[in-house]
Amino acid sequence: DIQMTQSPFTLAASVGDRVTITCRASQSINMWLAWYQQKPGRAPDLLIYKTSSLESGVPSRFSGSGSGTEFTLTISSLQPDDFATYYCQQYNTYPLTFGGGTKVEIK
Amino acid sequence: EVQLVESGGGLVQPGGSLRLSCAASGVTFSNYDMSWVRQAPGKGLEWVSGVSTSGGNAYYAASVRGRFTISRDNSKNTLSLQMNSLRAEDSAVYYCTTGGQWLRMGYWGQGTLVTVSS
Repeated sequence: DIQMTQSPFTLAASVGDRVTITCRASQSINMWLAWYQQKPGRAPDLLIYKTSSLESGVPSRFSGSGSGTEFTLTISSLQPDDFATYYCQQYNTYPLTFGGGTKVEIK
Repeated sequence: EVQLVESGGGLVQPGGSLRLSCAASGVTFSNYDMSWVRQAPGKGLEWVSGVSTSGGNAYYAASVRGRFTISRDNSKNTLSLQMNSLRAEDSAVYYCTTGGQWLRMGYWGQGTLVTVSS
């Protein structure tokens, strides 16, 4: 199985900060990497797919990059609505696997 | 508007069975691989099972293989998950989602809670 390792586990930031979350795969997943945002009590929402494609309706302050085994989600200027937990997911190979999550908290 | 609506969750004793369903609308259901993803209380997301567009190929996480069975009925736009030999560690919110190998999880249901406890 492909293991997905996210870092950091938690992140304290202020409104307006640039935030970066990293995801590492245990083997190459080509570009089949997605990022999801989840708020308490709600289902996850897709933000980024195929490493860097922005899902329709998602603000442009979210961006994704990477290749092979190293991937990054960047929020260029953190907004109040962005405090949430973020998950990466590989969908290159079954079983599909998620990272452990990164909780973005208010500083 | 795309809607995925799960049902069938509830309280069940260890060793018992439960069948989850997911009704899809606003989307051409037969065009999508489908998956079940679960989330234990306070924990992260875990992919459980997936099925191809035709239903001919099914995939499972090692933690549920041999106990859970995924199926779909494209004529009724419905996805199902038959869960047998349930364990306490299967307690979670179960989400229905479009997605699979090479297909992002673009649509999610609201989830249904399964609690396995005596």
